[in-house]
Amino acid sequence: AQRVTQPEKLLSVFKGAPVELKCNYSYSGSPELFWYVQYSRQRLQLLLRHISRESIKGFTADLNKGETSFHLKKPFAQEEDSAMYYCALSGHSYGQNFVFGPGTRLSVLP
Amino acid sequence: DVKVTQSSRYLVKRTGEKVFLECVQDMDHENMFWYRQDPGLGLRLIYFSYDVKMKEKGDIPEGYSVSREKKERFSLILESASTNQTSMYLCASMGGTYEQYFGPGTRLTVT
Repeated sequence: AQRVTQPEKLLSVFKGAPVELKCNYSYSGSPELFWYVQYSRQRLQLLLRHISRESIKGFTADLNKGETSFHLKKPFAQEEDSAMYYCALSGHSYGQNFVFGPGTRLSVLP
Repeated sequence: DVKVTQSSRYLVKRTGEKVFLECVQDMDHENMFWYRQDPGLGLRLIYFSYDVKMKEKGDIPEGYSVSREKKERFSLILESASTNQTSMYLCASMGGTYEQYFGPGTRLTVT
C-alpha cells in the first residue's frame, strides 16, 4: 500500500540555520514525489517535485530510492519559510490515489 | 492564472443536516479530489473523480458521497452531517502533470 510518513510534527530552527524536513514513503514501483506547502491563511500549493530537480525558494529535495526517502532541505532558513509542509506521493496511473503525509510545521525563529 | 474555487469558506450546520460543498475549476482538468484536513492527520482523501460521472473512493469515504455532472464541477455531499465531520475540506484538481491545484478550503463545523 502507498504510504507517506513525516516523523516530525513540529520543527523549530533559528533564522539562518539549515533545515531538513524528513519524508519517507512506501510504494511498489516508481512514484512521483512532491512537497506541498501551506503558508498561514493561504491555500496549499506545490513547492517542488522530484522529476523537475529544481530549487524553489532555496529548497531542494533528492529522491533516494534505496532509503525510500525524499527529504526537503534548505541551507539557510528564513522567517518567511515558516509554514506547514506536506510530502506527497502519486502513482502513474489515473485512478491511483495521491497520498499525503501528516505534515510538518516548520517554525523559523528570529 | 489557475483557479479552483469552493462555494463557502465557512459553514456551520446542525447534526443530521444534508450538506453540499461545491468546487469549481477553470483549467479543464479531468481529475478532481476532495480531502479533509485535520491537525496531525494531514490530508486524507475522501473521493476523487477522473472524468465526468466517474468517481472513486479514497481512504475515508464513509458518510460522504460525490457528484460530477460537469467537468468543471465536483460536489461533496454529507448525507447526514455528524460532529465527527467537523473539519477543513479541501478540493483540488489535477491535469496531466500530476500537480494538484487546491481551492481555499471550507471550514465546516457541525454542532
